[in-house]
Amino acid sequence: GQQLNQSPQSMFIQEGEDVSMNCTSSSIFNTWLWYKQDPGEGPVLLIALYKAGELTSNGRLTAQFGITRKDSFLNISASIPSDVGIYFCAGRRGASGGSYIPTFGRGTSLIVHP
Amino acid sequence: DAGVTQSPTHLIKTRGQQVTLRCSPKSGHDTVSWYQQALGQGPQFIFQYYEEEERQRGNFPDRFSGHQFPNYSSELNVNALLLGDSALYLCASSPWDGEQFFGPGTRLTVL
Repeated sequence: GQQLNQSPQSMFIQEGEDVSMNCTSSSIFNTWLWYKQDPGEGPVLLIALYKAGELTSNGRLTAQFGITRKDSFLNISASIPSDVGIYFCAGRRGASGGSYIPTFGRGTSLIVHP
Repeated sequence: DAGVTQSPTHLIKTRGQQVTLRCSPKSGHDTVSWYQQALGQGPQFIFQYYEEEERQRGNFPDRFSGHQFPNYSSELNVNALLLGDSALYLCASSPWDGEQFFGPGTRLTVL
């Protein structure tokens, strides 16, 4: 099935460093979602973006809805060990849920060294 | 307030067998979606249930079927299991027009 292009595939960083990852698509989306998945768990919604150009923060996390509506970015500042996990982007054609189903990227695996 | 719950947590089956996975949505949610997540991949949409009917379906064969009950809980059934069906099966619940909340998943291994 269709998946978004998410990069990088994996990241190995030192505690305290900032992290940037992105997601691109050949299709336009009206909603971008960022999830984090810990081992043995389901994805947890971190940030939802509903408007092109929108910049939204959730603690040390900041995400942006690309102006072309074909990409989105997630930044994590001052990483800590509990940031370890897999981060997924998801794009959705609808502004709300309903019959619009999100399409997920392949994920970025983040490892933080203390 | 309990979140999305799924059972069982792990399951081992052999090729050709049938399996049923269960999901209870978060309180106040009436829509349930099922996803398959293979190792190293993002979740792939299987189907969505609302008002006890299948509303949307992804690119999965008819061996995958489901049901939603009046209390909004849902089941995923897979018949004639193949080795390639081994994956983490995720249930997500939401209000009809809201964001999805995922359960912890059921890990299915087909031998």
